[in-house]
Amino acid sequence: NAGVTQTPKFQVLKTGQSMTLQCAQDMNHEYMSWYRQDPGMGLRLIHYSVGAGITDQGEVPNGYNVSRSTTEDFPLRLLSAAPSQTSVYFCASSSTPGQFQETQYFGPGTRLLVL
Amino acid sequence: GDSVVQTEGQVLPSEGDSLIVNCSYETTQYPSLFWYVQYPGEGPQLHLKAMKANDKGRNKGFEAMYRKETTSFHLEKDSVQESDSAVYFCARNNDMRFGAGTRLTVKP
Repeated sequence: NAGVTQTPKFQVLKTGQSMTLQCAQDMNHEYMSWYRQDPGMGLRLIHYSVGAGITDQGEVPNGYNVSRSTTEDFPLRLLSAAPSQTSVYFCASSSTPGQFQETQYFGPGTRLLVL
Repeated sequence: GDSVVQTEGQVLPSEGDSLIVNCSYETTQYPSLFWYVQYPGEGPQLHLKAMKANDKGRNKGFEAMYRKETTSFHLEKDSVQESDSAVYFCARNNDMRFGAGTRLTVKP
């Protein structure tokens, strides 16, 4: 198993540009989530999904969209990038059903710089 | 407030020293509690967990006791090694909130 994969590893955007961060898992996990990691602030939950077709907002959802058309994939979309979205983004998945998660498995991260 | 608080941003023990990394949580619920560890260039990975009050999580010589009376989940180790150097995050699972992280750098 590859586990949780994320592409790209690095990305530079200009303010106002759009992009999609890709996340895929091959563990047949129902729960998937997106976090951003900023210095001194830990990991903050952006959006999560408890199964295909179901998504919900986390702590910091503004400026981001998600969809979950398949169990395997959970892309994160930035419609109009802003410098405040410069961060490292992690995708995670878990086999625990529902909203309250036990062990989450994280991808290697995408480092995003918005100029 | 409704958060997870790690009071130390960085700790710098020497090899063989004992370690306590503080974690306090605020909640009216009874979540499961976790410590995740992150090595440079990687995503976080589960280090240990405790599912309910008075449970103790253990891994690689580290321990953390889920204390409901003090709402704490401090990470402890009797004798740290250089290979323990990493960033450690405390987290709870009712809203998947993480602490700010504590960077552990063990001096040889």
